[in-house]
Amino acid sequence: DQQVKQNSPSLSVQEGRISILNCDYTNSMFDYFLWYKKYPAEGPTFLISISSIKDKNEDGRFTVFLNKSAKHLSLHIVPSQPGDSAVYFCAASDSLRGGADGLTFGKGTHLIIQP
Amino acid sequence: NAGVMQNPRHLVRRRGQEARLRCSPMKGHSHVYWYRQLPEEGLKFMVYLQKENIIDESGMPKERFSAEFPKEGPSILRIQQVVRGDSAAYFCASSPNPLRGAGGNTIYFGEGSWLTVV
Repeated sequence: DQQVKQNSPSLSVQEGRISILNCDYTNSMFDYFLWYKKYPAEGPTFLISISSIKDKNEDGRFTVFLNKSAKHLSLHIVPSQPGDSAVYFCAASDSLRGGADGLTFGKGTHLIIQP
Repeated sequence: NAGVMQNPRHLVRRRGQEARLRCSPMKGHSHVYWYRQLPEEGLKFMVYLQKENIIDESGMPKERFSAEFPKEGPSILRIQQVVRGDSAAYFCASSPNPLRGAGGNTIYFGEGSWLTVV
């Protein structure tokens, strides 16, 4: 039973345009969400996070939106750059568990930025 | 990824051998997490440790797998009598405190150890 779902295995976007990566979750206890970026043969790199008390968090070209009622979050990258080509993982945590279970990850979306 | 050190980066073992994967957390971090990524899959939580304690091992296979985080030295993920299905990338992550919500901490990952069982 996947509690965090990224339904698009891959996404192709033209350089300079907006990339929108989506993530849905089923566990209503999740209250902290993170996005990680991963290149082949490397570990995931933290990008941006959002707490459930917010509905938006912005950091440079990256913005994460959270819709709690829909149990949906999205990562917007604008403008998209060639170096953004990577696999993006959505992750969620139930902070009341204080780290138990760690983070629950989606299966990832492979973002391809085309020149 | 800077700071979480994993070794070896690549490890080849024959079926039935033991695999030991090491993880040194970032400086100041006393919470360590191990994840496994199988081909075409996301990262799956295995175990969460603090110094000398296993806090949650609900993601660990019941047999052959063990983890420790001693008072001194790195965290070690140990896989005994490896089988081909153990071939995967194993990632270690660390955080300074338990994960919290608002203003929560982030966990930072190492570059992974790729285990191949032949």
